[in-house]
Amino acid sequence: EIVMTQSPATLSVSPGETATLSCRASQSVSTNLAWYQHKPGQTPRLLIYGASTRATGIPARFSGGGSGTEFTLTISSLQSEDFAVYYCQHYRDWLGTFGQGTKVEIK
Amino acid sequence: QITLKESGPTLVKPTQTLTLTCTFSGFSLTNNAVGVGWIRQPPGGALEWLALIYWDNDMRYSPSLKSRLTITRDTLKNQVVLTMTDVDPVDTATYYCAHRPAGSGFDVWGQGTVVTVSS
Repeated sequence: EIVMTQSPATLSVSPGETATLSCRASQSVSTNLAWYQHKPGQTPRLLIYGASTRATGIPARFSGGGSGTEFTLTISSLQSEDFAVYYCQHYRDWLGTFGQGTKVEIK
Repeated sequence: QITLKESGPTLVKPTQTLTLTCTFSGFSLTNNAVGVGWIRQPPGGALEWLALIYWDNDMRYSPSLKSRLTITRDTLKNQVVLTMTDVDPVDTATYYCAHRPAGSGFDVWGQGTVVTVSS
């Protein structure tokens, strides 16, 4: 079973700054990796798939990178609407395990 | 436009079986490499993937819950059904179904349905 570990659990960032979130897989998932944004009372929103491809309508300030077991989500010039919980998910072997999430909060 | 909607009981007693239905539109579950999955989020907790069913009727389950879950599809009704046996209060959560296109994560989600397990 592949385990996804996200760090840090909470990230405090000022608006306008850059946030870098990490996701580590216990085994290689190649680039079968997605990132989601989840706000309270809303449904999760797909941001990135294939480790680095932005989903439809996602602003360019969101970028994903990595392959194998180490991945990052970078949010440049944080806007007020970007404060949320972010999850990574692998989908190797047709599965769908999520990480435990990183909360990005206002500093 | 792809839409999905979850339905099922809001309250279930411990040890009972929970049955949830996802009714979708805007795509066919016979399309190549398309899947529909179930995900849940307990109060204050993280997203947890439960199960996926694919266009070829391949079914995948979370290893930790595999013994309690069954996912099935009805391609004529455009529905996916998830059953969870022997529920416990820790299964209290918002349950979502979502569309998974080829080579991607879940791109469209249902609104979610809240299930409480309590006697």
